[in-house]
Amino acid sequence: AQSVTQLGSHVSVSEGALVLLRCNYSSSVPPYLFWYVQYPNQGLQLLLKYTSAATLVKGINGFEAEFKKSETSFHLTKPSAHMSDAAEYFCAVRATGNQFYFGTGTSLTVIP
Amino acid sequence: GAGVSQTPSNKVTEKGKYVELRCDPISGHTALYWYRQSLGQGPEFLIYFQGTGAADDSGLPNDRFFAVRPEGSVSTLKIQRTERGDSAVYLCASSLYGLEDEQFFGPGTRLTVL
Repeated sequence: AQSVTQLGSHVSVSEGALVLLRCNYSSSVPPYLFWYVQYPNQGLQLLLKYTSAATLVKGINGFEAEFKKSETSFHLTKPSAHMSDAAEYFCAVRATGNQFYFGTGTSLTVIP
Repeated sequence: GAGVSQTPSNKVTEKGKYVELRCDPISGHTALYWYRQSLGQGPEFLIYFQGTGAADDSGLPNDRFFAVRPEGSVSTLKIQRTERGDSAVYLCASSLYGLEDEQFFGPGTRLTVL
């Protein structure tokens, strides 16, 4: 079975501080992993994806994520938060089959 | 260029009624997906089309839900005998070829069943 767990439904950081959003997955086979962002009143947008190439994946808007097989994790980071990063972030996994499994999301608040 | 569009943006209906939700994917995208997102949850997979055929409909919750894509572009999600538990945001996404490609999401249709 495949599933995704996002630790922390709400995360607050100060502007300029490190952003760390956690994602753990369970999969019996090497997965494809994704981070999506949803800005208010907009559709989901792909931030980055891991497809078994480099374990450190760089995405848009300065975000990156590292695939750690031993920890079954794919945490999202950004060195310095901007006000415009405030949004809902979803981790997703696709392993076998045609289905994507999304986490429950983490709402990021950036404090000025 | 135009993104994925969904109509209507909001739909309010009464329990037991039939509803249709429409998705217009990005032109040329062969793959199309439907998801359901309940409050406080992530999107839940419903069905995946490759061209005109449903490649995987294992996420449809029961036989009241049905989706079509007759010409390989526009898709319609149909819900019969709606129940209050069907209230959610229904998301549509498309990708160029299939599961390896980036999915582009529409803004969703918010369905409320009274």
